[in-house]
Amino acid sequence: DVKVTQSSRYLVKRTGEKVFLECVQDMDHENMFWYRQDPGLGLRLIYFSYDVKMKEKGDIPEGYSVSREKKERFSLILESASTNQTSMYLCASSKNTEAFFGQGTRLTVV
Amino acid sequence: AQSVTQPDIHITVSEGASLELRCNYSYGATPYLFWYVQSPGQGLQLLLKYFSGDTLVQGIKGFEAEFKRSQSSFNLRKPSVHWSDAAEYFCAVGKNYGQNFVFGPGTRLSVLP
Repeated sequence: DVKVTQSSRYLVKRTGEKVFLECVQDMDHENMFWYRQDPGLGLRLIYFSYDVKMKEKGDIPEGYSVSREKKERFSLILESASTNQTSMYLCASSKNTEAFFGQGTRLTVV
Repeated sequence: AQSVTQPDIHITVSEGASLELRCNYSYGATPYLFWYVQSPGQGLQLLLKYFSGDTLVQGIKGFEAEFKRSQSSFNLRKPSVHWSDAAEYFCAVGKNYGQNFVFGPGTRLSVLP
């Protein structure tokens, strides 16, 4: 069974902290994605990666960076967390067709 | 640029009633089309997908969707809704062999007993 695992379901961080959200997939997929989900806005793409060490900005990359040192792992980094980054974060991976999603990380920045 | 609209933010139906969720897309070529479902606090699960061929596709949990090129639509249907179908539903367009997905804003489904 395919699996995308996000390291945390819930996180509470303070404003200004550096935050790491980790995502691991076991399907040997080339493509990995980080989305942010907010009510009424659907899923918005933050970054995606199509290969190790490769990354592309999505629609809302400001305030975020990513790292992909290994094919199976894609990390989202909030360099200095702010309250407007409180949201649900979803990781996904794909090869040629549909995207497979992790369970999501609900991040609260206080 | 491609986009996906889901005109209904929230739909309420009674258990056992039929359901149709609307999705319209804007995309120059023949898109890959998807419907995902998200239960509260969970990630997204694929219900069904359309790539080519028969325009009526069957998915899991008794759902089906019909691709209508002339209307740029990919509406999701279910003949009889169950209480466990209460969730949020997302329509999505994919392209570039899995490198790009655009999601609609979602439709929240409530089911009355």
